[in-house]
Amino acid sequence: KQEVTQIPAALSVPEGENLVLNCSFTDSAIYNLQWFRQDPGKGLTSLLLIQSSQREQTSGRLNASLDKSSGRSTLYIAASQPGDSATYLCAETTGGGADGLTFGKGTHLIIQP
Amino acid sequence: GAVVSQHPSRVICKSGTSVKIECRSLDFQATTMFWYRQFPKQSLMLMATSNEGSKATYEQGVEKDKFLINHASLTLSTLTVTSAHPEDSSFYICSARGNLYDRGRSPEQFFGPGTRLTVL
Repeated sequence: KQEVTQIPAALSVPEGENLVLNCSFTDSAIYNLQWFRQDPGKGLTSLLLIQSSQREQTSGRLNASLDKSSGRSTLYIAASQPGDSATYLCAETTGGGADGLTFGKGTHLIIQP
Repeated sequence: GAVVSQHPSRVICKSGTSVKIECRSLDFQATTMFWYRQFPKQSLMLMATSNEGSKATYEQGVEKDKFLINHASLTLSTLTVTSAHPEDSSFYICSARGNLYDRGRSPEQFFGPGTRLTVL
């Protein structure tokens, strides 16, 4: 059974700081890994998807990396802003992409103005 | 990205009634749809996987007779919570994905906005 772990569970930093969120997974047969953002009481916003053949993806101030050998992914947020406050979820899928996603419990991020 | 809608966004019902939630892919054909459930302060848990025209595959611990899933077309899947009880109160989210074997098809799942179910 796949497991996805995210640390820290919660993080509070001043505005402007760069920060890293961590995600680890147990299944080396990962097909892809996605990072999502979830605002309170809302659905998911997809941030970045990294396929197993890739090592990183970038979108604006976000950069996600994938290291299959160590079973880890990181989400780097540059120059954080109060609007970045949300819960960040990572999720993996296996089975050649046919399987559903296995989610971590998320990192609750607060950016202090 | 592709757009997935869910209806209703919020529903409150009495214990013992059945509730149907619709998930639609608006601008692509969804060969596969997934249903997830999220309890307060918990992460999303996969409930079932449905492929168009086939019976849904349920995850361990999910009662298939209680959570009826129908995926009759390439753009619509429904989840019916039968004889709902307060412990079924949760946030239900669907996702949709196209055919993995279509050339150039993204493997990404696209998520609906979710349905918050409250059973009194």
